[in-house]
Amino acid sequence: EIVLTQSPGTLSLSPGERATLSCRASQSVTSSYLAWYQQKPGQAPRLLIYDASSRATGIPDRFSGTGSGTDFTLTISRLEPEDFAVYYCQQYGSSPMYTFGQGTKLEIK
Amino acid sequence: EVQLVESGGGLVQPGGSLRLSCAASGFTFRSFWMHWVRQAPGKGLVWVSRINSDGSIINYADSVKGRFTISRDNAKKTLYLQMNSLRAEDTAVYFCARELPDSHIYYGMDVWGQGTTVTVSS
Repeated sequence: EIVLTQSPGTLSLSPGERATLSCRASQSVTSSYLAWYQQKPGQAPRLLIYDASSRATGIPDRFSGTGSGTDFTLTISRLEPEDFAVYYCQQYGSSPMYTFGQGTKLEIK
Repeated sequence: EVQLVESGGGLVQPGGSLRLSCAASGFTFRSFWMHWVRQAPGKGLVWVSRINSDGSIINYADSVKGRFTISRDNAKKTLYLQMNSLRAEDTAVYFCARELPDSHIYYGMDVWGQGTTVTVSS
């Protein structure tokens, strides 16, 4: 069973700063099968990144994804006020078929 | 406008049943795989079930296998989740989401509904 561990649990930053969020898998993940989502309180998740590094439609270029194997990173180059939210990584694999990380809360410092 | 709208949530006693629906509009429903994902209060996202475009391939998380049944009606552009033998730990917001199938790339769940709340309590 693949487990995705996100760190840090909470990240406190100010608008304009750079955010780096980590997602580590318990075993190797096919890069093409790694996605990132943003969720704000009371809202549905929003797809940000698929294929580990491809931005979804309408996602600003300040969001970028990198990584391979067991280590993946979501970077937000310059934080905007609307970027403060919870972020989840997700993998598509074998068991369980779709796994989410536990989330990183990005909060305003 | 591309949209998914869930309905059917509510309060149910342990051991009871509920059927959720997810109505799709603004896109070719039959071309997409569909998912149910849930989120317990204050917790993270958990995948529940997936169905392929024509309903011939279905998968479940171990936690719901044997109790939940996913189905779809492409003519009605609607996804369903029949939930039986409900437990307190099934309490959550249930989201439906779509996935564009591809044999080489996982395009992610790119459209989500707003969610419907299921509460299992006596």
